[in-house]
Amino acid sequence: GDSVTQMEGPVTLSEEAFLTINCTYTATGYPSLFWYVQYPGEGLQLLLKATKADDKGSNKGFEATYRKETTSFHLEKGSVQVSDSAVYFCALSDSGGNNRLAFGKGNQVVVIP
Amino acid sequence: KAGVTQTPRYLIKTRGQQVTLSCSPISGHRSVSWYQQTPGQGLQFLFEYFSETQRNKGNFPGRFSGRQFSNSRSEMNVSTLELGDSALYLCASSLDGVGTARAYGYTFGSGTRLTVV
Repeated sequence: GDSVTQMEGPVTLSEEAFLTINCTYTATGYPSLFWYVQYPGEGLQLLLKATKADDKGSNKGFEATYRKETTSFHLEKGSVQVSDSAVYFCALSDSGGNNRLAFGKGNQVVVIP
Repeated sequence: KAGVTQTPRYLIKTRGQQVTLSCSPISGHRSVSWYQQTPGQGLQFLFEYFSETQRNKGNFPGRFSGRQFSNSRSEMNVSTLELGDSALYLCASSLDGVGTARAYGYTFGSGTRLTVV
């Protein structure tokens, strides 16, 4: 079945550092790909999305490019702030019309001032 | 416009009891999905409702059930609660139509934190 794999473990970095979180997926066809962010005590917020190969999703300084050849959708931000501290989830929605999301395990990002 | 509203925010129940959680989607959204989030299993899909009909179902036992009303509001019920049912239950809504989530993504509520003791 469809699955999403995120890099293991939390990510700790200093303010203004470069952030990258790896995400790879397994799916048939052409899934849509998403990054969601979860702040403490909150639900999930859609951060960005891409619906076809080579699409680049971007929002609030975050970017991710849908790479079908490497089945990846890595999240990047050039200069993180303390307010970016949260848990980030990569997810996919398959091309079969099922209205469901498959999520990665999530990565805790901690930005130190 | 108002977001996805889940009530209650927190619940404490005893093993063996049953519980009902409520979700009001964004106005105009007709698809409502439920997810369970636990530290061990992460985010897992429970089921999706559209036009009062269950359209998709995840791999959960029959103790987990749901329904959707004509105004698109949805409830999920868990009977005979077990300690392992302690989790954050998230509701998400999207526009109608199969595959709409693929184009627009889901909008999530803040969740109901269920603790079973």
